[in-house]
Amino acid sequence: DGGITQSPKYLFRKEGQNVTLSCEQNLNHDAMYWYRQDPGQGLRLIYYSQIVNDFQKGDIAEGYSVSREKKESFPLTVTSAQKNPTAFYLCASSSTGTSIYEQYFGPGTRLTVT
Amino acid sequence: AQKITQTQPGMFVQEKEAVTLDCTYDTSDPSYGLFWYKQPSSGEMIFLIYQGSYDQQNATEGRYSLNFQKARKSANLVISASQLGDSAMYFCAMREVNTNAGKSTFGDGTTLTVKP
Repeated sequence: DGGITQSPKYLFRKEGQNVTLSCEQNLNHDAMYWYRQDPGQGLRLIYYSQIVNDFQKGDIAEGYSVSREKKESFPLTVTSAQKNPTAFYLCASSSTGTSIYEQYFGPGTRLTVT
Repeated sequence: AQKITQTQPGMFVQEKEAVTLDCTYDTSDPSYGLFWYKQPSSGEMIFLIYQGSYDQQNATEGRYSLNFQKARKSANLVISASQLGDSAMYFCAMREVNTNAGKSTFGDGTTLTVKP
């Protein structure tokens, strides 16, 4: 089955530690995205990548870093510089091109930092 | 400026009735797409329906239809014959082809509760 996997589903970390969230897709999509969602709110774009070895900052990139070494994988690192890292993190992917394609989302990772 | 506005933080509907969730958008790009997603309490985002800016007809997908009024920049989601399983948060989103690097912009969402 094609889809997006995110692991783990729940993640707990101590303040001051970096943590990496995994995102893998087997949909053969060129574009991948990371969003942050706070309780009762909408999605905010952290980083996105439209092709391997290239990525762009979204609206709230400070305190986060990404890599895109493989088409299938787009891991997100939440660094200790992120002031309020506790949130729900969603990874998405989509096709690219002249048409407009919907985004497919993974199940998300709930990160709690204490 | 807010690109996607969902003015209804919460909505209630009786089971089997229809409900309309509002969405207005703002863009100067002539080529864009509008999406609706459903987010149940589990957190996954489920794609529901898509409307392209050049589409002449309103999109429909089963019990979901999109009331697209281009001149008013409105893209309301209509759910017919509501079911208890429709209780969730609903997000309107937009992707612009020529501006904003094709990124999606999401509204703040509407929480729909279906009453038995």
